[in-house]
Amino acid sequence: GNSVTQMEGPVTLSEEAFLTINCTYTATGYPSLFWYVQYPGEGLQLLLKATKADDKGSNKGFEATYRKETTSFHLEKGSVQVSDSAVYFCALEGYQKVTFGIGTKLQVIP
Amino acid sequence: KAGVTQTPRYLIKTRGQQVTLSCSPISGHRSVSWYQQTPGQGLQFLFEYFSETQRNKGNFPGRFSGRQFSNSRSEMNVSTLELGDSALYLCASALDPNYGYTFGSGTRLTVV
Repeated sequence: GNSVTQMEGPVTLSEEAFLTINCTYTATGYPSLFWYVQYPGEGLQLLLKATKADDKGSNKGFEATYRKETTSFHLEKGSVQVSDSAVYFCALEGYQKVTFGIGTKLQVIP
Repeated sequence: KAGVTQTPRYLIKTRGQQVTLSCSPISGHRSVSWYQQTPGQGLQFLFEYFSETQRNKGNFPGRFSGRQFSNSRSEMNVSTLELGDSALYLCASALDPNYGYTFGSGTRLTVV
């Protein structure tokens, strides 16, 4: 079956630091890939997506590229802010089902 | 435009009882999915509905069931509640699942 592996964290960074959260996947077919973000006490918000190989998803300074050859979809941001503190989930969609990674908690300190 | 609305936000039930959770998707979205979120298991897929038909189901016991109405609103039901059913239940809707889901804020169920 489909699976998503991401670093568990927590990840603690200083404001303006560079962020990378690694994500790799196993899937049959050609799934769409996503990053979702969850702020405390809230549901998940779609951060960015990529629907085919070599697509780059981007939003709010975050980026991720769909790498079929390495089955990866790493999340990056050049300069994090305190407001980016949240839990980030890598996910893939296949056969009307979303499979999520375990989530990576990011804490950004001033 | 209104988002995905889940009711109630919080619920406390006793073991052995049953519970029904409600989800109103974004207008025009016909795909509705449900997920269970717990600290130990993370986000687990329950089921997905499209135009009143269940298209996929996760690995949960038969105590967990759902349905979708003609207006795309969805309900999920859990019978004979167990302590381990305590979780945040998230509903999500999509126009096309390939392009991502919009999630509601969830229903926090506590079983005592």
